Amino acid sequence: GIQVEQSPPDLILQEGANSTLRCNFSDSVNNLQWFHQNPWGQLINLFYIPSGTKQNGRLSATTVATERYSLLYISSSQTTDSGVYFCAVEARETSGSRLTFGEGTQLTVNP
Amino acid sequence: SQTIHQWPATLVQPVGSPLSLECTVEGTSNPNLYWYRQAAGRGLQLLFYSVGIGQISSEVPQNLSASRPQDRQFILSSKKLLLSDSGFYLCASARGTGGDLYYGYTFGSGTRLTVV
Repeated sequence: GIQVEQSPPDLILQEGANSTLRCNFSDSVNNLQWFHQNPWGQLINLFYIPSGTKQNGRLSATTVATERYSLLYISSSQTTDSGVYFCAVEARETSGSRLTFGEGTQLTVNP
Repeated sequence: SQTIHQWPATLVQPVGSPLSLECTVEGTSNPNLYWYRQAAGRGLQLLFYSVGIGQISSEVPQNLSASRPQDRQFILSSKKLLLSDSGFYLCASARGTGGDLYYGYTFGSGTRLTVV
């Protein structure tokens, strides 16, 4: 099956810093999403981005499907950004049957 | 937009007891439905998915089963819980028709199960 690798596994920032999270995947995809898991465990969808670039406030994401990677940018980080960020993909060959998750990046933003 | 309801939010059950977790979806029709589990640590593992009423695909052999008695209802069950069934269970929906056009997956708020 498709493999999803996220880096770095852990990231500690001071409030106000910028960061880039990376997601590499091993096969063609027709769906890629970035999620933030809050302290209560809920998965909050940040971006649906199988290709191209999107921005939402301080967050933006870019997926280069031909090179099989996606980047999540967090600018001017805040303590409320802390949590685990997941990249998840749906492989084209198994369309509709599953979303495969990476292991996540644990982000800690200190005041 | 679609909304996914999961209950209960937390559950503590003794080993050997039965389990029933329910997930219902609003705001869409004919969705694909999924059960994921997140054990200690970060990884999310797909347990079951369903493309329609009565249609269940199992991803891993285990002590759990799933059923879809109605279009927007997905149930996760066990006859006898094991300690290893502890974890955070998430229901997800995708590819529904009607409502906002959205091709991504939407997740419920999850059930945290502790087997003691």
